[in-house]
Amino acid sequence: GENVEQHPSTLSVQEGDSAVIKCTYSDSASNYFPWYKQELGKGPQLIIDIRSNVGEKKDQRIAVTLNKTAKHFSLHITETQPEDSAVYFCAASLGGSYIPTFGRGTSLIVHP
Amino acid sequence: GAGVSQSPRYKVAKRGQDVALRCDPISGHVSLFWYQQALGQGPEFLTYFQNEAQLDKSGLPSDRFFAERPEGSVSTLKIQRTQQEDSAVYLCASSLRTNQETQYFGPGTRLLVL
Repeated sequence: GENVEQHPSTLSVQEGDSAVIKCTYSDSASNYFPWYKQELGKGPQLIIDIRSNVGEKKDQRIAVTLNKTAKHFSLHITETQPEDSAVYFCAASLGGSYIPTFGRGTSLIVHP
Repeated sequence: GAGVSQSPRYKVAKRGQDVALRCDPISGHVSLFWYQQALGQGPEFLTYFQNEAQLDKSGLPSDRFFAERPEGSVSTLKIQRTQQEDSAVYLCASSLRTNQETQYFGPGTRLLVL
């Protein structure tokens, strides 16, 4: 089955800095890659996603890049704010499967 | 609009007890998923419903776990004879269509088995 590795497990940055979280996947047939943000006591919330026919996608301060050849994808957050502090999960799923395999999460701490 | 809701939010059970966890998906959402999230881990898939049909239960860890969605809306995850290793957050998610990959998660039920 699919295996998703996520790094780092913890990331501490100063407000205004950029943050980058990286994930690798094992199944070359995976074609959908969502990123979720989970705040304490809440369920994961989709923040951005990318499909395998696209190399990069941007939404305001958040961007995701995908390298299909290397089977890795990354989340980039620019101009970080304290409210960005949360656990971020990457995931990968096969087209039509609808069942994502999640990474272990990255705890992002943004210091004011 | 109302999102996915789950109840109870917290449940403490003694080992051996049965528990039932409820999920109310977003109204009209066809697909419903259950996940188990251990402390410090990502969610792990348990089971998937399309309307009232349980199409995939490959992630259920044992036959003590049972899920149903009899009318295609509310779903219940039941765990019989709970064990300490069942302690986790149980997340429910729904999506609008069968080919819709965006899932909307509820806040989860935190289960502690003593």
